[in-house]
Amino acid sequence: DAMVIQNPRYQVTQFGKPVTLSCSQTLNHNVMYWYQQKSSQAPKLLFHYYDKDFNNEADTPDNFQSRRPNTSFCFLDIRSPGLGDAAMYLCATSSLRSGTEETQYFGPGTRLLVL
Amino acid sequence: GDSVTQMEGPVTLSEEAFLTINCTYTATGYPSLFWYVQYPGEGLQLLLKATKADDKGSNKGFEATYRKETTSFHLEKGSVQVSDSAVYFCALTPSTGGGNKLTFGTGTQLKVEL
Repeated sequence: DAMVIQNPRYQVTQFGKPVTLSCSQTLNHNVMYWYQQKSSQAPKLLFHYYDKDFNNEADTPDNFQSRRPNTSFCFLDIRSPGLGDAAMYLCATSSLRSGTEETQYFGPGTRLLVL
Repeated sequence: GDSVTQMEGPVTLSEEAFLTINCTYTATGYPSLFWYVQYPGEGLQLLLKATKADDKGSNKGFEATYRKETTSFHLEKGSVQVSDSAVYFCALTPSTGGGNKLTFGTGTQLKVEL
């Protein structure tokens, strides 16, 4: 089945130690998103790639970076995690080529714990 | 800017009860409207959607109708089950431009008890 896959499902890191979360998709969608979701809150968009074009949200801290080496994969890098970065990180994809299909499909998320 | 307002939770119901979760929105034009469901410890799953006025989205016994006149997209289910316990998010994407950005409501937690 076509899907959005996130690895790992759970990640534990130490304060200040760089960490990378990964997302892959078999939907062949041209747009990929990264969201941060803290407990009992709605997801907050960090950035997205439209094909190879990177679009950062204005309030996303510089500590968060992203890479998209190809259509299928997208990575979220947290350069120096702080305790406040502990959250669920959600990857999503959508297709904008047709101009009519804009539904975002989410992966299962990676829960990050910062010690 | 665009916004989505949902009724606050938690909503606690007995099994087989009728469910309504209210959702209203503020946006220009005709946004697309969505309901996503999030089970504990999981990502978001698309539950249903509607892309134009008077459309009804439906899935797994859940329904929601896009009401342009009241700018609403209320979620309903005739008979809930314990397995429906989850957090439900109402969301929209703008009709034009906006880069397909999802605007979420704050989420409504549903608890269904035997």
